[in-house]
Amino acid sequence: QSVLTQPASVSGSPGQSITISCTGTSSDIGRYDYVSWYQHYPGTAPKLIIYEVSYRPSGVFNRFSGSKSDNTASLTISGLQAEDEADYYCSSYTNYRTWVFGGGTKLTVL
Amino acid sequence: EVQLVESGGGLVQPGGSLRLSCAASGLTVSSNYMSWVRQAPGKGLECVSILYSGTSTYYADSVKGRFTISRDNSKNTLSLQMSNLRPEDTAVYYCTRTPDFYSYYMDVWGKGTTVTVAS
Repeated sequence: QSVLTQPASVSGSPGQSITISCTGTSSDIGRYDYVSWYQHYPGTAPKLIIYEVSYRPSGVFNRFSGSKSDNTASLTISGLQAEDEADYYCSSYTNYRTWVFGGGTKLTVL
Repeated sequence: EVQLVESGGGLVQPGGSLRLSCAASGLTVSSNYMSWVRQAPGKGLECVSILYSGTSTYYADSVKGRFTISRDNSKNTLSLQMSNLRPEDTAVYYCTRTPDFYSYYMDVWGKGTTVTVAS
């Protein structure tokens, strides 16, 4: 059982928007603005797409956005494209000086 | 190009040992927090070990006393010595880094190396 809670799967049609939630505790998401999100295609290296709650690394499309409220973070993907079909993981730094992750959400583009 | 490349995975019997290596290029392993993150089959990601600045380390309770993380600055590599391996250690192991000692996210990941613990 993962420390952060994500839905196992979400789906959407091309052009639509979807949101993936990530729920933690007051020791991680609720304590720090150090939430990050990763996109993972099986067999490849996970890719950072959001850091520090809402910042996008260079080269990541602005269709990806992040937010946080209390102990829950969210990743929103707008204008869904077929290439967005992947697994998405949230992560947070914690007061134990480590990182915790969610169980991952499989995004299906219908 | 900034890159991390893991090696050393394989099939090992319960109780056995393996040493994972992570070769860095385009970055310096001594300038960042370096860590090993694993993904067991059908499971989420788990941070099993972190090497902070200097020699300060972190180990998940599940591997404490069995795994040892280290870095070789001269070879620009990160290692994970794993001993007394258990079937539940079966996973893909990723080498990761933070951009610096003031950032708390992992901006570079390797493609992973697979460890299978089975008889």
